[in-house]
Amino acid sequence: GNSVTQMEGPVTLSEEAFLTINCTYTATGYPSLFWYVQYPGEGLQLLLKATKADDKGSNKGFEATYRKETTSFHLEKGSVQVSDSAVYFCALRQGAQKLVFGQGTRLTINP
Amino acid sequence: NAGVMQNPRHLVRRRGQEARLRCSPMKGHSHVYWYRQLPEEGLKFMVYLQKENIIDESGMPKERFSAEFPKEGPSILRIQQVVRGDSAAYFCASSRQGEGFEQYFGPGTRLTVT
Repeated sequence: GNSVTQMEGPVTLSEEAFLTINCTYTATGYPSLFWYVQYPGEGLQLLLKATKADDKGSNKGFEATYRKETTSFHLEKGSVQVSDSAVYFCALRQGAQKLVFGQGTRLTINP
Repeated sequence: NAGVMQNPRHLVRRRGQEARLRCSPMKGHSHVYWYRQLPEEGLKFMVYLQKENIIDESGMPKERFSAEFPKEGPSILRIQQVVRGDSAAYFCASSRQGEGFEQYFGPGTRLTVT
């Protein structure tokens, strides 16, 4: 079946550091890939997405590229801020079906 | 345009009681998904519904759990005879067919079973 594996957390960085959160997936066919962010006490918000190989999703300084050859969708940001502290989830979806989530990575940014 | 609404936000039940969780999708959305998030874990799919139809319930526990999405009114996730292991955050998402099926999430209902 489909699955998503994320880099284990928690991750703690200083403000303005470079961020990478690894995500790899297993799926048949060509799933769409997503990164969601969850702030404390809130629901999930879509951060970015990519629907086909080599697509790059980007939003709020975050980027991720759909790499079919390595089945990866790593999340990156060049300079993190304290306000980026949250839990980040990588997910995949095929067609109108359910989202399959990774286990989440808790990110803490210290000033 | 209001987002996905869930209520209650917090629900406390004693073991053996029933829990009813409600989800009102975004306006114009006819697809609803329920997910469960156990503490320190990712979200796990439970059930996918369209108006008056269950499309995929492969993630629903076989007993005590049921879901509906009637023609009028919100979607309801019902848990009968709750146990401590049911304590979790339950998230609803909705989508409108034809927009790449993007799912928009509600704020969740946090169920605590004492």
